Amino acid sequence: EPEVTQTPSHQVTQMGQEVILRCVPISNHLYFYWYRQILGQKVEFLVSFYNNEISEKSEIFDDQFSVERPDGSNFTLKIRSTKLEDSAMYFCASSDKAYSGNTIYFGEGSWLTVV
Amino acid sequence: GQSLEQPSEVTAVEGAIVQINCTYQTSGFYGLSWYQQHDGGAPTFLSYNALDGLEETGRFSSFLSRSDSYGYLLLQELQMKDSASYFCAVRDDKIIFGKGTRLHILP
Repeated sequence: EPEVTQTPSHQVTQMGQEVILRCVPISNHLYFYWYRQILGQKVEFLVSFYNNEISEKSEIFDDQFSVERPDGSNFTLKIRSTKLEDSAMYFCASSDKAYSGNTIYFGEGSWLTVV
Repeated sequence: GQSLEQPSEVTAVEGAIVQINCTYQTSGFYGLSWYQQHDGGAPTFLSYNALDGLEETGRFSSFLSRSDSYGYLLLQELQMKDSASYFCAVRDDKIIFGKGTRLHILP
């Protein structure tokens, strides 16, 4: 069964450092997403990406965040200057359809610890 | 804005039935989904209702009433492995999750 893969599974970084989280969405999917989940809290939407551009972003997704699809397979989230409060699990997701509730698939997540 | 309300915790006994309710308020609505998340794991899709009524998938069923902006997830024949957090979520061009209901199952 096709799946969304994410690397690294866990990263520890010092405050102020740049971090890049990588995702390989399911190959025929067109819609890509990043979510984050602070420990013990709900899953929060960060950004959606379609047709090589951001289609929507939340207030969490400020100027320190950026996304990129550098080639035909990878989808990356960059955090330019990490803060302690960026420590969270970051989930990548992909979908082949818009507006459909049952075709979005999540990766296993990248756990980011900022120290 | 968008908001979803669900209980923070529910406790039930193994073998029993439990219902997790969700009310929502959204600007756009294309359906109500339910996701399961075990500790340390990714959200995994359980069920989706685009129309009013009950959808059944094995031991899990989900119900939607669009006029009441209300839905629920029904879990039958509870097993210990069902101990997890359950999130309701609404979809417009992204999925917005509720805060999740932690389901505790007692033997």
